Amino acid sequence: SAVISQKPSRDICQRGTSLTIQCQVDSQVTMMFWYRQQPGQSLTLIATANQGSEATYESGFVIDKFPISRPNLTFSTLTVSNMSPEDSSIYLCSVNLGVNQPQHFGDGTRLSIL
Amino acid sequence: ELKVEQNPLFLSMQEGKNYTIYCNYSTTSDRLYWYRQDPGKSLESLFVLLSNGAVKQEGRLMASLDTKARLSTLHITAAVHDLSATYFCAVDPIQGAQKLVFGQGTRLTINP
Repeated sequence: SAVISQKPSRDICQRGTSLTIQCQVDSQVTMMFWYRQQPGQSLTLIATANQGSEATYESGFVIDKFPISRPNLTFSTLTVSNMSPEDSSIYLCSVNLGVNQPQHFGDGTRLSIL
Repeated sequence: ELKVEQNPLFLSMQEGKNYTIYCNYSTTSDRLYWYRQDPGKSLESLFVLLSNGAVKQEGRLMASLDTKARLSTLHITAAVHDLSATYFCAVDPIQGAQKLVFGQGTRLTINP
């Protein structure tokens, strides 16, 4: 498995501000993923972040709202921009360690927007 | 668009009983994953099912996959309180892409 560290673990932010979430993995991985889990809901994939290329966003998510960086094989950031109360969610990063392996998830960042 | 549906969404059961959670999905896939989430926690991988007819067991939990029926089941045998959690199935619709589509989750409560 992998040790995945997310920072911050939680935050309360003001409407209109932006927050950058960090995800650090203890081993080199090709693909990192960012998910959103709205309160009491399931997980939805935001984007896939590959090192050395632009992130690939899923339908309903755009780069201007959720810019992603992937500067190396162990680190990624997700920024939630111009936040509104609808962005209040848990944001989770995950990694895949191999073709037939499950994704491993970080502990998540619990974000509340006032 | 791939849809993944779990049934039931809420399940309250007594210790010692058996029950099954169902996961149906709408397009072809031979990769299905089961995860557990405790309140306020992240997701823990339970099972990886990679082919038709795959069956995996760990303790009181057993998962199976029928790709022809597009159905996976998670069976709980002689439930104990510690198994109370939310269980998610997730499907990888594009082999190797790992762009998981999750079911709604089944919130399982096991009462003494």
